[in-house]
Amino acid sequence: KAGVTQTPRYLIKTRGQQVTLSCSPISGHRSVSWYQQTPGQGLQFLFEYFSETQRNKGNFPGRFSGRQFSNSRSEMNVSTLELGDSALYLCASSTSHRGTNTGELFFGEGSRLTVL
Amino acid sequence: GENVEQHPSTLSVQEGDSAVIKCTYSDSASNYFPWYKQELGKGPQLIIDIRSNVGEKKDQRIAVTLNKTAKHFSLHITETQPEDSAVYFCAASKRALDTGRRALTFGSGTRLQVQP
Repeated sequence: KAGVTQTPRYLIKTRGQQVTLSCSPISGHRSVSWYQQTPGQGLQFLFEYFSETQRNKGNFPGRFSGRQFSNSRSEMNVSTLELGDSALYLCASSTSHRGTNTGELFFGEGSRLTVL
Repeated sequence: GENVEQHPSTLSVQEGDSAVIKCTYSDSASNYFPWYKQELGKGPQLIIDIRSNVGEKKDQRIAVTLNKTAKHFSLHITETQPEDSAVYFCAASKRALDTGRRALTFGSGTRLQVQP
């Protein structure tokens, strides 16, 4: 079974630009979550999507957004990039049961964003 | 919200020794506690988890213990090997009352180095 696939793996942007990251979950997993990993803040929850709807959201500004497609693939977008947005962005998929997710996450290898 | 503290931040042991990593959590409603291992350049991978109705769980050389009263849980690795060298993260989660969804709150990570 293929794991979680994230693209691109590395990218460099400048302040003020926007970026879109893509995630393909494990086949059969319908819940996709995004996390930001930085040396200073560790792993922080951004949002979770299930059935093309955002189901849960962390404490990030509105510049961070996402969406999910009917095939469960997900994208996240960061607009008006700031230097502090430099991080590893991790996507994780999980199964869902009776309206909630199990909490067991399977992570991709991440997209490393550098903002200059 | 939930707060998870993890200690130590770095841990160096000799091959064959045991390693213990400790975490405390703040929200007594948290009921799922996974541990993730992150190797260089990869996403975190679930290695073991425990739910609040269980006090201890073991899987070969790794074990996790949970003390709900004290709100702390620990990871124990016995007979450490060089391939155990990685960053380990503890996490806690509960089902949100409003959304019914789970999101993980991670500890800050422990860099384990096993010296051959």
